[in-house]
Amino acid sequence: DGGITQSPKYLFRKEGQNVTLSCEQNLNHDAMYWYRQDPGQGLRLIYYSQIVNDFQKGDIAEGYSVSREKKESFPLTVTSAQKNPTAFYLCASSRRQSNTGELFFGEGSRLTVL
Amino acid sequence: AQSVAQPEDQVNVAEGNPLTVKCTYSVSGNPYLFWYVQYPNRGLQFLLKYITGDNLVKGSYGFEAEFNKSQTSFHLKKPSALVSDSALYFCAVRDIKRLTGGGNKLTFGTGTQLKVEL
Repeated sequence: DGGITQSPKYLFRKEGQNVTLSCEQNLNHDAMYWYRQDPGQGLRLIYYSQIVNDFQKGDIAEGYSVSREKKESFPLTVTSAQKNPTAFYLCASSRRQSNTGELFFGEGSRLTVL
Repeated sequence: AQSVAQPEDQVNVAEGNPLTVKCTYSVSGNPYLFWYVQYPNRGLQFLLKYITGDNLVKGSYGFEAEFNKSQTSFHLKKPSALVSDSALYFCAVRDIKRLTGGGNKLTFGTGTQLKVEL
C-alpha cells in the first residue's frame, strides 16, 4: 500500500540535543511538507520541498533544518536552537502540479523535550 | 492572506442526531476548501474538498459539506452522528499564491473537537 511513514512515533530528548525525524513516502509525489501541531493552534508549516535537492522555509522554520536528497525522503532535524520543540510533527506530500492542493499525511511523530 | 476560522473549540452531539462543524473562510478569488479529520495521536485523514461546481460536497464516512459563497462558509455536516465520529476536525483553504517552486500551501483552522455521546 502506498503511503507516508514517519518514525519514530514517540521521541524524548534532553534540552540541547538535536533530533532527526524521518519521513518516507512511496506515493511518487514530488512535493513534501513538514507541519507542526500544537494544541489550539492548528497546523503550521515548517519547511517544504517541491523537488529533490531543493527546499524552502515555511512560516516557522527557525530552529529546524531539512534535506531532500531523495524523492522519497524528507527528514526534519529539530535543533537545539528551537526554543519550544515539544510538539506533534506531521509530514505530508502532494503532487507538485496538483491544482487542488490536497495533502496526504503521515501518522505523526510526537517529540517531548525533558 | 487566506485564512479559515473554526469558531467552536468543541461540539457535543448525541449519537443519531445530526452534526454540524462550522468553518468560515477568507480568500481573494475562488476558494479551494478542505476538511480533514484527526484521531488521537494520528495523522490527518482527508474527508472531502470543494473546488468548483455543486455547493454540496459528499465525502468519506457519510460526511458532507455545504459551500456558501455569500456567507463565506464551508460547514461540515452529517445526518446521523456515530460515537466513532468523535475526533478533531480541521478546515483548510488552499492559498491562491503558489509556493516557491510551484507547490500548494494549505492554511488550516485551529480545529474543532467533536464529541459524540450515547
